Amino acid sequence: GAVVSQHPSWVICKSGTSVKIECRSLDFQATTMFWYRQFPKKSLMLMATSNEGSKATYEQGVEKDKFLINHASLTLSTLTVTSAHPEDSSFYICSATGTSGRADTQYFGPGTRLTVL
Amino acid sequence: AQSVTQLDSHVSVSEGTPVLLRCNYSSSYSPSLFWYVQHPNKGLQLLLKYTSAATLVKGINGFEAEFKKSETSFHLTKPSAHMSDAAEYFCVVSDPYSGGYNKLIFGAGTRLAVHP
Repeated sequence: GAVVSQHPSWVICKSGTSVKIECRSLDFQATTMFWYRQFPKKSLMLMATSNEGSKATYEQGVEKDKFLINHASLTLSTLTVTSAHPEDSSFYICSATGTSGRADTQYFGPGTRLTVL
Repeated sequence: AQSVTQLDSHVSVSEGTPVLLRCNYSSSYSPSLFWYVQHPNKGLQLLLKYTSAATLVKGINGFEAEFKKSETSFHLTKPSAHMSDAAEYFCVVSDPYSGGYNKLIFGAGTRLAVHP
């Protein structure tokens, strides 16, 4: 149980375009979802936290107008990278926590590798 | 503020020998601590977690970690390494007082190499 999927697993786009990444909890309801960014051979950096039905909370230094997060249901959150540039190329990972016994553990998706040309 | 320090960026062991990945934490209160593993191009997998119960925590794939408050450590060990253990390992502390949710703070990671 506690499976989180991401789609797509990798994407290549041109500079200036927007890219949407989906994060789904497959077998539990995710009250809170998190979005991380991981640079090559580096640790994970939390970008934002979203609760279902409310606005996301962004970490300091993360541009909310560039990285749009939507958490419209208890099983789906999306991250849209708007007007992407090469410096946005990275590995984006989502995680989710559920209710009751799963509230204290984050379950991670497999990640999405974004390459902006 | 909560933080974790992974003392080794790279660890290399021979197959069949013990594994020790070191982690120290800093916390103002009793922390929740985790070890996650990340295989190449894969998502993070929870190995084990400590949440103020038994100080010796057993996880999956033969890994275990001991919470030592006096040393502020949470080192990850395994008696005998397998080739499949080669991966990146992250020590993580949870900050439950970060706006009402359990914010995870990641260490820098330790890359474990296992050679024949």
